[in-house]
Amino acid sequence: ETGVTQSPTHLIKTRGQQVTLRCSSQSGHNTVSWYQQALGQGPQFIFQYYREEENGRGNFPPRFSGLQFPNYSSELNVNALELDDSALYLCASSFSGTGGNTIYFGEGSWLTVV
Amino acid sequence: QKEVEQDPGPLSVPEGAIVSLNCTYSNSAFQYFMWYRQYSRKGPELLMYTYSSGNKEDGRFTAQVDKSSKYISLFIRDSQPSDSATYLCAMSEQGAQKLVFGQGTRLTINP
Repeated sequence: ETGVTQSPTHLIKTRGQQVTLRCSSQSGHNTVSWYQQALGQGPQFIFQYYREEENGRGNFPPRFSGLQFPNYSSELNVNALELDDSALYLCASSFSGTGGNTIYFGEGSWLTVV
Repeated sequence: QKEVEQDPGPLSVPEGAIVSLNCTYSNSAFQYFMWYRQYSRKGPELLMYTYSSGNKEDGRFTAQVDKSSKYISLFIRDSQPSDSATYLCAMSEQGAQKLVFGQGTRLTINP
């Protein structure tokens, strides 16, 4: 167990709707990142949060947004859902400052857009 | 061209065989190299973590990094059916928390 928990595990949304995914980081970790993994592909970096501020973003449009809370938990929000947003969304937590990249993933949230 | 290239397989080998999984990359700034194992419909699990070039061994698993060739490998000795999973290589630059993943190689170990 990595100590990173995500909810919900599965959900189905209709095109055009909005979705919020949640993540609770491993204890002691102050950095959270979100990744999108399409079927048969490796995870793609969406963005990272450190001290409640966005600290790096991948090639995703602004309708992908996030929050990090003082307890280091996090949310991923996706507006105006498109069919191509169907994927496994992974939350990853780590501790910034160790000089390494020991990054642990949760089990993910499966999103299906119909 | 993708920053990280990984043969998606699938790769099928008999139980007990030595498995070799590989990735190549184009970004010479990558300093940290990781291998993750992902079972079907689960999140990636960190297997091996290596900084810069060299070898690292953990039980039946050995990770190798050759920065001069921009090539990394994961070897699995005495493979078991429970090793059947998708193996993802991942890399990052110094000071960056962002991981860049390969596509993943789907591995099946046949009893």
